[in-house]
Amino acid sequence: EVQLVESGGGLVQPGGSLRLSCAASGFTFSNFWMSWVRQAPGKGLEWVANIKVDGTEKYYVDSVKGRFTISRDNAKNSLCLQMDSLRAEDTAVYYCVRGGSRFDRWGQGTLVSVSS
Amino acid sequence: EIVLTQSPGTLSLSPGDRATLSCRASQSVRNNILAWYRQKPGQAPRLLFYNASSRATGIPDRFSGSGSGTDFTLTISRLEPEDFAVYYCQQSGTSPLTFGQGTKVEIK
Repeated sequence: EVQLVESGGGLVQPGGSLRLSCAASGFTFSNFWMSWVRQAPGKGLEWVANIKVDGTEKYYVDSVKGRFTISRDNAKNSLCLQMDSLRAEDTAVYYCVRGGSRFDRWGQGTLVSVSS
Repeated sequence: EIVLTQSPGTLSLSPGDRATLSCRASQSVRNNILAWYRQKPGQAPRLLFYNASSRATGIPDRFSGSGSGTDFTLTISRLEPEDFAVYYCQQSGTSPLTFGQGTKVEIK
């Protein structure tokens, strides 16, 4: 069974940093692009970033470029999102998602709250 | 950026009814790379269709996806209780990947 389990969310002040992690199991992680998608409270879905199977290509939505960094460790079946210079508008549930263009498996999400 | 506009915003129907959801793109979606998702309250989204009309694994045939270019449709032939949820379309033909704002299907 495919499982994606996120961790690392929490409350952080504006300008602070958080590192999200995603533990993947039940599939060959190194064969799949991976992504992060977020959902602000009561709002719709927004793609944040994706990463190629070998980590050599990474893409970001403009609003997080230069602040967020996606990475992966295929040996550990893990995906990460380093989030720096956080803003109030980054407050959302962050989902770890399998796929780079179509998202066929989702984690349950981890909540990131940016507030003073 | 391709803007996806979903209509209606809310659809009020009864179990057993037919639901027709629309997703219109601000420009043509390359290769019709458009997906549909269903999100039940408190849950993560689930993929329903990709490439506009290819049904994802485990999705029942009461769901159908169609369309091309800028106009896409998700049809649910007979609503089951679990279908009352929010539905999103998403394009990945052009970066950045974008989602529609969602259509809520609620019980009338």
